[in-house]
Amino acid sequence: ETGVTQSPTHLIKTRGQQVTLRCSSQSGHNTVSWYQQALGQGPQFIFQYYREEENGRGNFPPRFSGLQFPNYSSELNVNALELDDSALYLCASSLTGYEQYFGPGTRLTVT
Amino acid sequence: AQSVSQHNHHVILSEAASLELGCNYSYGGTVNLFWYVQYPGQHLQLLLKYFSGDPLVKGIKGFEAEFIKSKFSFNLRKPSVQWSDTAEYFCAVKPLTGFQKLVFGTGTRLLVSP
Repeated sequence: ETGVTQSPTHLIKTRGQQVTLRCSSQSGHNTVSWYQQALGQGPQFIFQYYREEENGRGNFPPRFSGLQFPNYSSELNVNALELDDSALYLCASSLTGYEQYFGPGTRLTVT
Repeated sequence: AQSVSQHNHHVILSEAASLELGCNYSYGGTVNLFWYVQYPGQHLQLLLKYFSGDPLVKGIKGFEAEFIKSKFSFNLRKPSVQWSDTAEYFCAVKPLTGFQKLVFGTGTRLLVSP
């Protein structure tokens, strides 16, 4: 077990709503990354935070946003949910330059 | 843009058979390479990693992978699989320039029959 936790485990939302997913990093890790894993696909990078600032972003629209807090926990916010946002959302924490450790994910279903 | 290709989407083996899962990446610079495994109902776990040095790396549970720089490949191997190896396997690449973005392949679903 990695020590990275995510909440909630499952979530069902309707199209157009907003959602906030939470991640608690492994102790001592200063970098958090978020990924989207659609069914049958590999994880796709959304963005990364280092010391409370976004320092990298993948090919996701601005309605995907995030925060990192001083204790290195993090949030992923998605506005104006679309059906295609249904996926497993993964949080990964790391020390800069080292391997990433993944949490169990939040399964988001948009109806 | 970086990309990772995993050649086999589904693999079915009998216990004790040997395993080799292919992984090729496209990126011109220096990379770190990883194999992650996702057992049914569990989170992604690091199986092994290559940062530098000996291109043959050993991971957990008897897995190993060989980095062949000239072929941009990082194939995963195990001499004798067990039923408990049933899982989905992901190859991932992290360029050493820029931020710590992992680029994943689409995964290989392995089913080991007892």
